[in-house]
Amino acid sequence: GAGVSQSPSNKVTEKGKDVELRCDPISGHTALYWYRQSLGQGLEFLIYFQGNSAPDKSGLPSDRFSAERTGGSVSTLTIQRTQQEDSAVYLCASSPYRGWANTEAFFGQGTRLTVV
Amino acid sequence: AQSVSQHNHHVILSEAASLELGCNYSYGGTVNLFWYVQYPGQHLQLLLKYFSGDPLVKGIKGFEAEFIKSKFSFNLRKPSVQWSDTAEYFCAVKIGTASKLTFGTGTRLQVTL
Repeated sequence: GAGVSQSPSNKVTEKGKDVELRCDPISGHTALYWYRQSLGQGLEFLIYFQGNSAPDKSGLPSDRFSAERTGGSVSTLTIQRTQQEDSAVYLCASSPYRGWANTEAFFGQGTRLTVV
Repeated sequence: AQSVSQHNHHVILSEAASLELGCNYSYGGTVNLFWYVQYPGQHLQLLLKYFSGDPLVKGIKGFEAEFIKSKFSFNLRKPSVQWSDTAEYFCAVKIGTASKLTFGTGTRLQVTL
């Protein structure tokens, strides 16, 4: 597609339920990133994919969070047993080269998750 | 741990005023530096980037930033802001060979007419 696409754009869920957030990167981009944006907290790195593997998952806040990427394209971020502190905007970005060297990352519009 | 600091959290300027937003990072090695902007209701987009060479970097919409290695800084500047520059601005650093960008907490710029 023309840009990074994320779905849903908004998600309201009850505490304790599981949620899945989807990211469609720009076609041909091998690197894919998930970030979390909370009010006043900036952007918090969650996980990085190169192809289908995740060399850096150091930012996942707990074992309730997991992510996968299939076919070197679509990625899904899953949050199990959601908590209120998981409420945030989840951003996905992709870039065409390994790592970030000499290129920019293209961000999606994000998924706003609200846990009630 | 490496970090990025943006000391101005909320800046209010009148149109035509000059802008400087601070960004400092804590890492002594090779860095790549970025400024991203997020206009209301829109996604993050790249404003400018520094990888090597001339430390004064020009970006889109009249923005520029200067990398001062001795001060660990990469401040964003614009000589004359416009109402349409109202947005949130994020400084980001790629540290060494790491694959991820580390972002600052952002600066909300409000430009009044």
